[in-house]
Amino acid sequence: DVKVTQSSRYLVKRTGEKVFLECVQDMDHENMFWYRQDPGLGLRLIYFSYDVKMKEKGDIPEGYSVSREKKERFSLILESASTNQTSMYLCASSPDHRQAGEKLFFGSGTQLSVL
Amino acid sequence: AQSVTQPDIHITVSEGASLELRCNYSYGATPYLFWYVQSPGQGLQLLLKYFSGDTLVQGIKGFEAEFKRSQSSFNLRKPSVHWSDAAEYFCAVKYNKLIFGAGTRLAVHP
Repeated sequence: DVKVTQSSRYLVKRTGEKVFLECVQDMDHENMFWYRQDPGLGLRLIYFSYDVKMKEKGDIPEGYSVSREKKERFSLILESASTNQTSMYLCASSPDHRQAGEKLFFGSGTQLSVL
Repeated sequence: AQSVTQPDIHITVSEGASLELRCNYSYGATPYLFWYVQSPGQGLQLLLKYFSGDTLVQGIKGFEAEFKRSQSSFNLRKPSVHWSDAAEYFCAVKYNKLIFGAGTRLAVHP
């Protein structure tokens, strides 16, 4: 089975801190994604990557950056955390973006609270 | 702009009752359509998907969904709900990118 692992289940940070959320997948997938999940808003795409060292902005990239130095690892970075970034963050991967409708595999999520 | 709507934020059903969760999309062409489930404390898991062909799609855990082009809908159904089906359900559509609905939270009464 594909496994997508997010390093922290819960995280509490202070306003202004630099925050790293880590995600690792073990199935050699090309594509990786970061979403945030908020009640009533569903999942919104922050950033995605189709290859190592490649990144593309999603729908809500402001205040975030990403890093993909290795195929299996995709990091989400909050340069200066703010309270409106308190949310559930979900990482996902999929095999090949050229296959329309490819299946996404999700991690269990990181609940980030910014105080 | 493409969008997906799940009109019901919260639904409660009794165990053993039938279930239908609604999903509507807006766009001219038929997108790829998905239903995902998120159990408490978990990530999302794919229940089923529709690309083309038979408009009634079977998924895992006894779920099915029917695509109706005339109504731009892709409703999820289950004939008899189990307590373990309590979760949040997300409809998603894909044209050039994947867009999720806001989700429907399902509660199951014993």
